[in-house]
Amino acid sequence: GEDVEQSLFLSVREGDSSVINCTYTDSSSTYLYWYKQEPGAGLQLLTYIFSNMDMKQDQRLTVLLNKKDKHLSLRIADTQTGDSAIYFCAHQSGGSYIPTFGRGTSLIVHP
Amino acid sequence: EPEVTQTPSHQVTQMGQEVILRCVPISNHLYFYWYRQILGQKVEFLVSFYNNEISEKSEIFDDQFSVERPDGSNFTLKIRSTKLEDSAMYFCASTDGTGANEKLFFGSGTQLSVL
Repeated sequence: GEDVEQSLFLSVREGDSSVINCTYTDSSSTYLYWYKQEPGAGLQLLTYIFSNMDMKQDQRLTVLLNKKDKHLSLRIADTQTGDSAIYFCAHQSGGSYIPTFGRGTSLIVHP
Repeated sequence: EPEVTQTPSHQVTQMGQEVILRCVPISNHLYFYWYRQILGQKVEFLVSFYNNEISEKSEIFDDQFSVERPDGSNFTLKIRSTKLEDSAMYFCASTDGTGANEKLFFGSGTQLSVL
């Protein structure tokens, strides 16, 4: 199967770290992605990780991949109000180049 | 940065009516996609399009749906006879290549409401 599961909401305080989790079922996934959707805008690619990696860091963003458990997470350090958005997990499996998305996690950052 | 443009941002229609959702992909992109998201559900792939033909489609993309690139800039999704369950946010996307790790550029979506 190609299911991608995410929790719907996450609320954090400004300055704290946020961790958004995702699980997927397709063990042949090659690339895994995090897209961000700000209000009124389209989905934008935030970061990605190749399946032979277990971690990728890009400034305040850290992506962790546990391939055995098929678990992907996105950690945002020092979360700011501008990080409030919907975050979509997606993956691309070897059988198709079409990314499969989850339902998105709404990140709410409050003062 | 170049962007994908979708019009209209909101479309309200009566059940059974035809709707056309419009997209202007990024100008040098060659691969085009439609996704949709029903409220509270996953973003679902509908169809991909390259070289004036459908390259891949999902089970959702049945005979009621069609896509077209009528000129060099527009990419449209037509729903012939809308149903209540077609109510969703429809996203257009484009990319300049297809393959592993292609970055999809998305439009901001058209919210379709079928009454």
